[in-house]
Amino acid sequence: EAGVAQSPRYKIIEKRQSVAFWCNPISGHATLYWYQQILGQGPKLLIQFQNNGVVDDSQLPKDRFSAERLKGVDSTLKIQPAKLEDSAVYLCASSGTGHIFYGYTFGSGTRLTVV
Amino acid sequence: DAKTTQPTSMDCAEGRAANLPCNHSTISGNEYVYWYRQIHSQGPQYIIHGLKNNETNEMASLIITEDRKSSTLILPHATLRDTAVYYCIATYSGGGADGLTFGKGTHLIIQP
Repeated sequence: EAGVAQSPRYKIIEKRQSVAFWCNPISGHATLYWYQQILGQGPKLLIQFQNNGVVDDSQLPKDRFSAERLKGVDSTLKIQPAKLEDSAVYLCASSGTGHIFYGYTFGSGTRLTVV
Repeated sequence: DAKTTQPTSMDCAEGRAANLPCNHSTISGNEYVYWYRQIHSQGPQYIIHGLKNNETNEMASLIITEDRKSSTLILPHATLRDTAVYYCIATYSGGGADGLTFGKGTHLIIQP
């Protein structure tokens, strides 16, 4: 099966600009996650969707970050305006029925550099 | 998620077994132990998970102590491609808010 697709692979922007990342999960996976991974640290959950509804966004900085999954398939994560500390890899993951046995599948991520 | 403690880094010779320890002394009865690894410039990859019993799959073996306070991931014949950061996570994944909480993991370096 095809994996989790993310684009772009790399992005460089200036601080205070806006940026958007796209994720297409594995076909049929109802649950989608966005993680932020700062260099040298493990990934940190930003938001979890179940179909097109938000399950957990407790760690999403809502003053500047937003995410949507309108049709319960692909998802977009946006940052507006970006800060220097937002430089990180943004990972998307998905899981379907039975994820407890097969784990989550991650994409390769989008590397964001804010200058 | 229960807190997990792992060594920062480990070395292992190619072809030997790599044994990665993890301490999760506050794990709850319904929390599973998951292992993921992250090769440079890739997203984390699921390896194995377990609740009480030892588990084995094509990638690795997982040994969980009887009191469930610690576990060991075993890569039986390590290759250079096993060089990665390995994350041990103790979590309940029964639906609802079940995002993973990653620590800093163990950086495993396989030496030729």
